[in-house]
Amino acid sequence: KQEVTQIPAALSVPEGENLVLNCSFTDSAIYNLQWFRQDPGKGLTSLLLIQSSQREQTSGRLNASLDKSSGRSTLYIAASQPGDSATYLCAVVTGTGNTPLVFGKGTRLSVIA
Amino acid sequence: GAVVSQHPSRVICKSGTSVKIECRSLDFQATTMFWYRQFPKKSLMLMATSNEGSKATYEQGVEKDKFLINHASLTLSTLTVTSAHPEDSSFYICSAIRQGLNGYTFGSGTRLTVV
Repeated sequence: KQEVTQIPAALSVPEGENLVLNCSFTDSAIYNLQWFRQDPGKGLTSLLLIQSSQREQTSGRLNASLDKSSGRSTLYIAASQPGDSATYLCAVVTGTGNTPLVFGKGTRLSVIA
Repeated sequence: GAVVSQHPSRVICKSGTSVKIECRSLDFQATTMFWYRQFPKKSLMLMATSNEGSKATYEQGVEKDKFLINHASLTLSTLTVTSAHPEDSSFYICSAIRQGLNGYTFGSGTRLTVV
């Protein structure tokens, strides 16, 4: 059974700092991996999607990497801003791609102005 | 593209009543939708997989008679919480796969409070 772990559970950084969020998964036979952002009491916003054949994806100040063989992914946020404060969730799809996402517990990020 | 609309966003109901939550794919056909539940400060837990035209597949520990799922069309799945109790209070969120477009799209979620 696929299990997804995110470290750290919470993180507080000063504005402007670069930071890395970590995600690991137990079954390397993934179809893809997705990073989401969730604001308190809100739904999920997809940030980056990495296919199993890819090693990284970039969007603005965000960069996600994937090391499928070691079961790891990182989300790099450059020049953090207070508006980046949210919970970041890592999720994977295992198998053929028509199966549900398995989520980590998330990292709660606070960026202090 | 790939927009999923979920309603209502917030509902308060009395114990013993039933509540229906709708999840619609607005600009694509979704043969498969997923329903998740999220407790405060916890991650999303899959409740069931909803397949158009067939019975939903429930995860272990989820009461199918309590959480009724109907996926009668390619654009609509509904989750009905029957005989709601305070312990059913939670954040419910749906997700859909758009065929040919990798990645999952989520609804905005429904905050259910049972009093």
